[in-house]
Amino acid sequence: DQQVKQNSPSLSVQEGRISILNCDYTNSMFDYFLWYKKYPAEGPTFLISISSIKDKNEDGRFTVFLNKSAKHLSLHIVPSQPGDSAVYFCAAGEGSRAAGNKLTFGGGTRVLVKP
Amino acid sequence: DSGVTQTPKHLITATGQRVTLRCSPRSGDLSVYWYQQSLDQGLQFLIQYYNGEERAKGNILERFSAQQFPDLHSELNLSSLELGDSALYFCASSTRQGSNSPLHFGNGTRLTVT
Repeated sequence: DQQVKQNSPSLSVQEGRISILNCDYTNSMFDYFLWYKKYPAEGPTFLISISSIKDKNEDGRFTVFLNKSAKHLSLHIVPSQPGDSAVYFCAAGEGSRAAGNKLTFGGGTRVLVKP
Repeated sequence: DSGVTQTPKHLITATGQRVTLRCSPRSGDLSVYWYQQSLDQGLQFLIQYYNGEERAKGNILERFSAQQFPDLHSELNLSSLELGDSALYFCASSTRQGSNSPLHFGNGTRLTVT
């Protein structure tokens, strides 16, 4: 049972254009969401997060949008740069003490930014 | 550099064997997490420790076990290895538990079971 899904396994975009990555979740107990970026031979690197009390969070070129009613979040990268080429993972967590701080990850979306 | 150190980077072993993966968390982080990434799949949560105690458990096989030591480093023990255990094993750490602090990942140990 995949509680976090990234339905697009790959995405190709031209440098300077917008990259939009999507993520859907099913567990209504999730109350915070994160995006991680992963280069080959490296561990995932934290990119940006959003709490369920917000619907948007922005950090430089990266913006995450959360639609709680649709159980959907997206990551926008504007403008896309060749260095953004990586695998992006969506992750979700329950902020309760009982849940610890474990994250549930989606399957990832491989982004290729063409010069 | 996330500050999380995992050793070894690569491990090749035979079916039926036992291996130990090691993780040193970032300085000051009390929580350690283990994740498994099989080929072209997302990261699957295995287990979390906080300050030496098991805090949360995922779909970790009975053949697998972990512990966190007083110096906060952690070890993941995999025994009676099967071909399907071949994967990337990531360790992550965070400052607090039950909060929204991001996890910081090491570069992983690639386990190949032949």
